[in-house]
Amino acid sequence: GENVEQHPSTLSVQEGDSAVIKCTYSDSASNYFPWYKQELGKGPQLIIDIRSNVGEKKDQRIAVTLNKTAKHFSLHITETQPEDSAVYFCAAHSGNTPLVFGKGTRLSVIA
Amino acid sequence: DTAVSQTPKYLVTQMGNDKSIKCEQNLGHDTMYWYKQDSKKFLKIMFSYNNKELIINETVPNRFSPKSPDKAHLNLHINSLELGDSAVYFCASSQAARGLEAFFGQGTRLTVV
Repeated sequence: GENVEQHPSTLSVQEGDSAVIKCTYSDSASNYFPWYKQELGKGPQLIIDIRSNVGEKKDQRIAVTLNKTAKHFSLHITETQPEDSAVYFCAAHSGNTPLVFGKGTRLSVIA
Repeated sequence: DTAVSQTPKYLVTQMGNDKSIKCEQNLGHDTMYWYKQDSKKFLKIMFSYNNKELIINETVPNRFSPKSPDKAHLNLHINSLELGDSAVYFCASSQAARGLEAFFGQGTRLTVV
């Protein structure tokens, strides 16, 4: 089955700096890669996703890149703000299986 | 309007008890899931239901029994609760035909004492 590795497990950045979180996946048939943000006491919320026919996608301060050959994808947050502090999860999906999640990255943005 | 709602939000119970967590989605999705999040925040799939039928049952003890009375509901019943069952349980839903975005509920924090 699919296996998703996520790094780093914790990340601290100064407000205004960029943050990058990286994930690798094992199943070359995976074709959908979402990123979720989980704030304290809440459920994960989708913030951006990318499909295997696209190499990059951007939504304001958030961007995701996908390298199918290397089987890795990354989340980039620019101009970080304190409200970006949360746990971020990458995930991968193939076929009819549910999403397989990485182990999460706790991002702290220091004002 | 709440898309995926779970009740209760908090559940504290003694070992050996039986408890249920309810989940409802008003998005018209055909697939619902239960995920378990442990103390290290790892999200692991437990069950997946499509149109009220079980399609995935990961290595979950048979003390856990999901029930889907209709497409909009997926409840989780847990028998003979153990200390190791303490976790946050998330319900989620998606519509396979319209993409794979999964919407999560707020979670139920289960504490077994």
